[in-house]
Amino acid sequence: DAMVIQNPRYQVTQFGKPVTLSCSQTLNHNVMYWYQQKSSQAPKLLFHYYDKDFNNEADTPDNFQSRRPNTSFCFLDIRSPGLGDAAMYLCATSSDLRDRGRTYEQYFGPGTRLTVT
Amino acid sequence: GDSVTQMEGPVTLSEEACLTINCTYTATGYPSLFWYVQYPGEGLQLLLKATKADDKGSNKGFEATYRKETTSFHLEKGSVQVSDSAVYFCALDTGRRALTFGSGTRLQVQP
Repeated sequence: DAMVIQNPRYQVTQFGKPVTLSCSQTLNHNVMYWYQQKSSQAPKLLFHYYDKDFNNEADTPDNFQSRRPNTSFCFLDIRSPGLGDAAMYLCATSSDLRDRGRTYEQYFGPGTRLTVT
Repeated sequence: GDSVTQMEGPVTLSEEACLTINCTYTATGYPSLFWYVQYPGEGLQLLLKATKADDKGSNKGFEATYRKETTSFHLEKGSVQVSDSAVYFCALDTGRRALTFGSGTRLQVQP
């Protein structure tokens, strides 16, 4: 089945120790997103890739970076995790065909829950 | 800017009760509207969608109608089950390639 895969599902890191979360997709979608979701809150968009073009949200901290080496993979790097970065990180994809009236339906992975000790 | 307002939860119902979760939105233009569901410890799953006024999205017994005149997209189900317990998010898309989510409504269904 075509899907969005996130690894690992649970990640524990130490305060200040860099960590990388990964996302892969078999949908061949050209847009990939990273969201941060804290407990009992709505997902918050950090950034997205449209093909190879990186689009950062204005309020995303510099501590968060992303890489997309090819269509299928996208990585979220947290350079120096703080306690406030503990959250669920969700990867999503969509297919932007630039059709008029296109609905940007997003497909989400299961998420990676990050704990910072 | 664009925004989505959902009723606060938790909503607690008995099995087979009727469900309505209210969602209203503010947006420029004509957004597409979505309901996503998140089960405990999981990512978001698209439940249903509507792309234009008066469209009705439906899936798994859930329905929502795009009401432009009231800027609403309320989620309804006639008979809920324990397995429907989850958090439900209303969201809109105005073509920016980014979804705007509501704050989510937790539904708890008791046997």
